[in-house]
Amino acid sequence: EAQVTQNPRYLITVTGKKLTVTCSQNMNHEYMSWYRQDPGLGLRQIYYSMNVEVTDKGDVPEGYKVSRKEKRNFPLILESPSPNQTSLYFCASSPYTGTTYEQYFGPGTRLTVT
Amino acid sequence: AQKVTQAQTEISVVEKEDVTLDCVYETRDTTYYLFWYKQPPSGELVFLIRRNSFDEQNEISGRYSWNFQKSTSSFNFTITASQVVDSAVYFCALSEYGSSNTGKLIFGQGTTLQVKP
Repeated sequence: EAQVTQNPRYLITVTGKKLTVTCSQNMNHEYMSWYRQDPGLGLRQIYYSMNVEVTDKGDVPEGYKVSRKEKRNFPLILESPSPNQTSLYFCASSPYTGTTYEQYFGPGTRLTVT
Repeated sequence: AQKVTQAQTEISVVEKEDVTLDCVYETRDTTYYLFWYKQPPSGELVFLIRRNSFDEQNEISGRYSWNFQKSTSSFNFTITASQVVDSAVYFCALSEYGSSNTGKLIFGQGTTLQVKP
């Protein structure tokens, strides 16, 4: 089944404890991206990756890192999480071969930082 | 600047009613893409439709239909004969294809649709 998977789905952690949210897609998509969803602020892009060689910041990259060592995986790293990073996070992927295709989203990761 | 506005925060209808969700967008690009996504209570984001700026044909898929009008910068979504399973938050989104093309989706704030039995 073609899909984007994220792990974990739910995570409660404490301030400052490094964590990684994994994202994997099995559709051979070039483009991958991370968004966060917050009440009143909607969905905002954190980072994106055009392909394994190109990764760049989105609108709200502060406090996050990403890595794209292979096409299928795009983990989101929070080196020192803070309470303002409590949010619902979505990973997405898209074929994106010279034009803009729809992005397919993972199931979401609900993160709480206390 | 690019922006997507969904003026209807919440809509409540009774099953079998038709309902239209409004979406107005702003962009300076001549080439852009518009999308609708559905977020059911389970939380995932489900892709519904993609439209490019050169294709103003309306589209129908079962009970769903979309009306794209460049003249009014609108991309409205109609559900005919609504069902309880249509209850969800619906997002309209814009992606620009220009010099700043990053593939980023610019989302509206979403419209919560409640369909009552």
